[in-house]
Amino acid sequence: DQQVKQNSPSLSVQEGRISILNCDYTNSMFDYFLWYKKYPAEGPTFLISISSIKDKNEDGRFTVFLNKSAKHLSLHIVPSQPGDSAVYFCAAGGSQGNLIFGKGTKLSVKP
Amino acid sequence: EAQVTQNPRYLITVTGKKLTVTCSQNMNHEYMSWYRQDPGLGLRQIYYSMNVEVTDKGDVPEGYKVSRKEKRNFPLILESPSPNQTSLYFCASSMGGGARGYTFGSGTRLTVV
Repeated sequence: DQQVKQNSPSLSVQEGRISILNCDYTNSMFDYFLWYKKYPAEGPTFLISISSIKDKNEDGRFTVFLNKSAKHLSLHIVPSQPGDSAVYFCAAGGSQGNLIFGKGTKLSVKP
Repeated sequence: EAQVTQNPRYLITVTGKKLTVTCSQNMNHEYMSWYRQDPGLGLRQIYYSMNVEVTDKGDVPEGYKVSRKEKRNFPLILESPSPNQTSLYFCASSMGGGARGYTFGSGTRLTVV
């Protein structure tokens, strides 16, 4: 049973607009949630994280929102740029190091 | 340069022939982990380690072994590889476990024929 779900395999957005990537989880015991970005032929790159005790974290153009009651988090990218085109993975875990990833969402930002 | 180094980058082997994929990090990280990436399945954790001599199973540990004798190294061992272990493998390390995010290596593409 998937503990971390990204239900949209792909998303296409126009340059300059907002990209919203969504993620749902089932385990309320997760301590942290993270977003990773992955280009082909490279390892995933850590983007932004949020603690389970917070509901928002912002870093430049990237903001992650956490709704614990809905077991849902989202990544907002504003404004979207063509260089943001990549696969984005949502991940959840605890302090032990057992980080669980979703299946990923491929974002395409069109000029 | 802070990095996680995996070797080899590409490997083609035959069923049943033991192999080891090496992983080394130079950031003095306590946590290390192995993942495999398969189409439509995302990244799945194989094993992880919180420190030297401390390892634990992830979601898909069957057919794999690991060891953590030194802090910097975390090799992945396939004692008897099978075709269903054909995959893209990533090693990762972290200072604070899931909280601070993992730094990933560039990946090892393994094909078992």
